[in-house]
Amino acid sequence: DVKVTQSSRYLVKRTGEKVFLECVQDMDHENMFWYRQDPGLGLRLIYFSYDVKMKEKGDIPEGYSVSREKKERFSLILESASTNQTSMYLCASSLYRALPNQPQHFGDGTRLSIL
Amino acid sequence: AQKVTQAQTEISVVEKEDVTLDCVYETRDTTYYLFWYKQPPSGELVFLIRRNSFDEQNEISGRYSWNFQKSTSSFNFTITASQVVDSAVYFCALSEDKGAQKLVFGQGTRLTINP
Repeated sequence: DVKVTQSSRYLVKRTGEKVFLECVQDMDHENMFWYRQDPGLGLRLIYFSYDVKMKEKGDIPEGYSVSREKKERFSLILESASTNQTSMYLCASSLYRALPNQPQHFGDGTRLSIL
Repeated sequence: AQKVTQAQTEISVVEKEDVTLDCVYETRDTTYYLFWYKQPPSGELVFLIRRNSFDEQNEISGRYSWNFQKSTSSFNFTITASQVVDSAVYFCALSEDKGAQKLVFGQGTRLTINP
């Protein structure tokens, strides 16, 4: 079974802090994704990556950046956290970029509160 | 632009009732993929099913069934003889046939099965 592990289930930070959310997958997947989940809005894509050191903006990249130095690890960075970034953050991975129709596998999520 | 609409925000039924979750999508692509995910209280999204745009066969898996109709751009999900363990948030999602297969999610439907 694919395992996507997010480093924290709950995180509390202060406004202006630089925040790192870490995600690791253990199945050699090419694609990795970061979403945020808010009530009434579903999941919205922040950034995704289809290879090491590659990244592409999703629908709501403002205020975020990402890093993928190794294939198995994809980090989401809040450069200067703000209260409107309080949310549930979900990481996902899928197998091959060139192979359509693949399900994404999700981690348990990180509930981030910015005070 | 792609869009997925789940008009039912919350549904509450009594155990053993049948329940249908609606999903309507918009896309200009001729080839696309549709997914359903379940999010139990633990938070992790669990993949349930995918459907290709060129395969309009309905599918049944135990108590779960899916009705895909291109004519109405709908991909509805029915649970027969619901059980308390079916209580979760259910998401419908749409993926394009190119690139890293980004998912566009609906807003989600919170399903509560009461004993």
